[in-house]
Amino acid sequence: AQTVTQSQPEMSVQEAETVTLSCTYDTSESDYYLFWYKQPPSRQMILVIRQEAYKQQNATENRFSVNFQKAAKSFSLKISDSQLGDAAMYFCALEYGNKLVFGAGTILRVKS
Amino acid sequence: DAGITQSPRHKVTETGTPVTLRCHQTENHRYMYWYRQDPGHGLRLIHYSYGVKDTDKGEVSDGYSVSRSKTEDFLLTLESATSSQTSVYFCAISLQGSNQPQHFGDGTRLSIL
Repeated sequence: AQTVTQSQPEMSVQEAETVTLSCTYDTSESDYYLFWYKQPPSRQMILVIRQEAYKQQNATENRFSVNFQKAAKSFSLKISDSQLGDAAMYFCALEYGNKLVFGAGTILRVKS
Repeated sequence: DAGITQSPRHKVTETGTPVTLRCHQTENHRYMYWYRQDPGHGLRLIHYSYGVKDTDKGEVSDGYSVSRSKTEDFLLTLESATSSQTSVYFCAISLQGSNQPQHFGDGTRLSIL
């Protein structure tokens, strides 16, 4: 079975600072993809970043980057220069065989 | 934004009644999914479809059925709603399924009293 674990139910960060959200996963698949989704209070699910498991290079999207450690099955999200608009629930997800498995989520609070 | 419309956006109903949620897409994507979101569980896959009349079960399919008679519509039915099915339901679409990010609708909040 595929599982995704987010061990931090809540995190806080000061505006303009950097924060890292943790995610670990378990899968026996060799071909899979990993995603981070953001869910603001509006309830929309917004794709933040995507990582192909076969690529060693960590994905980056502007202020968002990942630290992908395949052997450790770890996939953390780093948000640099945090902004008030980054406050949301963040979900880590594993894709295999056309299906997504989500972690329980981490609430990120941004302090001004 | 991906053209995904979920209806209704909110619904309150009673235990034992049938409920149908609709997901409509204008993207002509092959794959469509239904998830439920509950505190402490993230999103969990209920059913998905990989083409017209082609569907398969997800992680939490008990008590739910689906139908897809047209590419653009994917229906989720609760034959006899129970209070444990109170949740927020999301539809998602994907062009190819594997290796493609899923795009989500805005969700339906369903309350079963």
